[in-house]
Amino acid sequence: DAGVIQSPRHEVTEMGQEVTLRCKPISGHDYLFWYRQTMMRGLELLIYFNNNVPIDDSGMPEDRFSAKMPNASFSTLKIQPSEPRDSAVYFCASSLGGGLQETQYFGPGTRLLVL
Amino acid sequence: GQQLNQSPQSMFIQEGEDVSMNCTSSSIFNTWLWYKQDPGEGPVLLIALYKAGELTSNGRLTAQFGITRKDSFLNISASIPSDVGIYFCAGRVGRNAGNMLTFGGGTRLMVKP
Repeated sequence: DAGVIQSPRHEVTEMGQEVTLRCKPISGHDYLFWYRQTMMRGLELLIYFNNNVPIDDSGMPEDRFSAKMPNASFSTLKIQPSEPRDSAVYFCASSLGGGLQETQYFGPGTRLLVL
Repeated sequence: GQQLNQSPQSMFIQEGEDVSMNCTSSSIFNTWLWYKQDPGEGPVLLIALYKAGELTSNGRLTAQFGITRKDSFLNISASIPSDVGIYFCAGRVGRNAGNMLTFGGGTRLMVKP
């Protein structure tokens, strides 16, 4: 399996622009997670899905952030409008099942810089 | 909310030395995980612990799930240059919380050849 795939790997945009990050989970995994990583706050869970349904979005920082999972093999995280403080590395992870022993596999991340 | 305190924040050691890092929590976790993150990549799972008191090894890595369920440590023996990276602990509470993980702040390991 190719693992979790994220695109783009790097994104540079200007403040106010819309940013869309994409994720393809590992085939067959029914949980998908979006994380944000910054030096100040470390790894933060933004939102996670189970069977394409958002389960917990309490980590989404503001209404400017939205995430969708239209099918089992694709998810997007959108920031509109983007702000410089959104600059971070955004990771997508997936896992098979929700039990205590299920491992989350991370993608390579999207490094976002908002100028 | 739950927080994981990971220490030390960074370590700079000589190749061949042993390394120890730990995580503590104010609340109980039912699963402890240790991840390593290389520069420009996502975290990769190293060791998973599922029972209090459990001691698990993966090559030169050894991790233990604390008896109180509020702590865990990771040891690396005979460090080598490729051990460089950021090590994260992560905890999971239980089924009621789904599959959510709480991450520690990371330990940045630097190894001098």
